[in-house]
Amino acid sequence: ETGVTQTPRHLVMGMTNKKSLKCEQHLGHNAMYWYKQSAKKPLELMFVYNFKEQTENNSVPSRFSPECPNSSHLFLHLHTLQPEDSALYLCASSRNSGGPGDTQYFGPGTRLTVL
Amino acid sequence: AQKITQTQPGMFVQEKEAVTLDCTYDTSDQSYGLFWYKQPSSGEMIFLIYQGSYDEQNATEGRYSLNFQKARKSANLVISASQLGDSAMYFCAMREAKYSGGGADGLTFGKGTHLIIQP
Repeated sequence: ETGVTQTPRHLVMGMTNKKSLKCEQHLGHNAMYWYKQSAKKPLELMFVYNFKEQTENNSVPSRFSPECPNSSHLFLHLHTLQPEDSALYLCASSRNSGGPGDTQYFGPGTRLTVL
Repeated sequence: AQKITQTQPGMFVQEKEAVTLDCTYDTSDQSYGLFWYKQPSSGEMIFLIYQGSYDEQNATEGRYSLNFQKARKSANLVISASQLGDSAMYFCAMREAKYSGGGADGLTFGKGTHLIIQP
């Protein structure tokens, strides 16, 4: 596979469930990101990982727990979510070349519905 | 205050016409990058074009060009000879240099423009 992949593509869960979103990049990049895209709102940055280390947590509630075991894989663990957490969750990766032109490449997203 | 403003929520354009999607930005950084992404109904964000704040020439990538006016803080996307497959959401985004010496920074996105190409 090439590029950035995300699984599952669709997920429906209850508020008491625990689930995980997976992201994998095949681009040899060093940085990975989670974004949330809610209806009628701009994409919101959630987390940034650089060489497996979390470098940014954009005030995300603790019911979202990221994990980055290596530079190619990124997970988002979900527990006791709220209906307002229903959104498209996008993963991205970048080379982290250290300049402003460090382009981020996105996966297809996971469409999450919380009942 | 919004850092990225896209004032056109939706646009209808006839096939084969050129289209300009507006984007203005707000930053106090001297070094920053501006990006445009396309998001079809499938959801994936597709990178289209990049413009660096120090680039003197406007960026071009095939049918896409970026009309960069630094003093006005605008970075409009121009699509020439539009095609039906261009129908999608288009997002303008900015990367500011938060960390000296570089580092992985997230992008700040605008609300997007829904472009519909009509035959």
